[in-house]
Amino acid sequence: DVKVTQSSRYLVKRTGEKVFLECVQDMDHENMFWYRQDPGLGLRLIYFSYDVKMKEKGDIPEGYSVSREKKERFSLILESASTNQTSMYLCASSAYFGTSGSSGETQYFGPGTRLLVL
Amino acid sequence: GQQLNQSPQSMFIQEGEDVSMNCTSSSIFNTWLWYKQDPGEGPVLLIALYKAGELTSNGRLTAQFGITRKDSFLNISASIPSDVGIYFCAGLPPSGGYQKVTFGTGTKLQVIP
Repeated sequence: DVKVTQSSRYLVKRTGEKVFLECVQDMDHENMFWYRQDPGLGLRLIYFSYDVKMKEKGDIPEGYSVSREKKERFSLILESASTNQTSMYLCASSAYFGTSGSSGETQYFGPGTRLLVL
Repeated sequence: GQQLNQSPQSMFIQEGEDVSMNCTSSSIFNTWLWYKQDPGEGPVLLIALYKAGELTSNGRLTAQFGITRKDSFLNISASIPSDVGIYFCAGLPPSGGYQKVTFGTGTKLQVIP
């Protein structure tokens, strides 16, 4: 079974703190993703990575950065946390990049980190 | 990115009833995925569809890839209390990988025992 784990289930941080969210997958997937999920807005892509040390901005990268030093690990960094970054953060991984439509190709999510910034 | 139109937004049903929900898009997709998310948890993949017209089952769940490639349907038969949660769809366009996935807004399902 594919397993995507996230370092914390719940986090409480103060405004201005630097926050690290870590994600690890055990299926040797090339691609990893960070999303945030907010009520009424659904899932929004923050950043993704298709290889070690490679990263691409998603739809809402402002206020975030990422790091991928090893294939299995993808970190999301909030350089200076703000209250509007209070959210559920979801990490995901997938094995394929490129044209979709291949049977067996899919995306797996971690359990999520619920972050509260005070 | 854009969002898919998913309906209904929420539903209350009696245990034992069947449930139907759907997602529609203005653009075509090559892959449709259906997820379930329990409160405070990450989404769990239920069914993946890769071909227009495809009908796939997973236990009491059945999903279909619409023939126009712009919609998909999920049915749950004989609902039970543990079916409670949020169900959402996701679609992949013909070009690009999962960075281009579009998510539905979710259907919140409540089952009355």
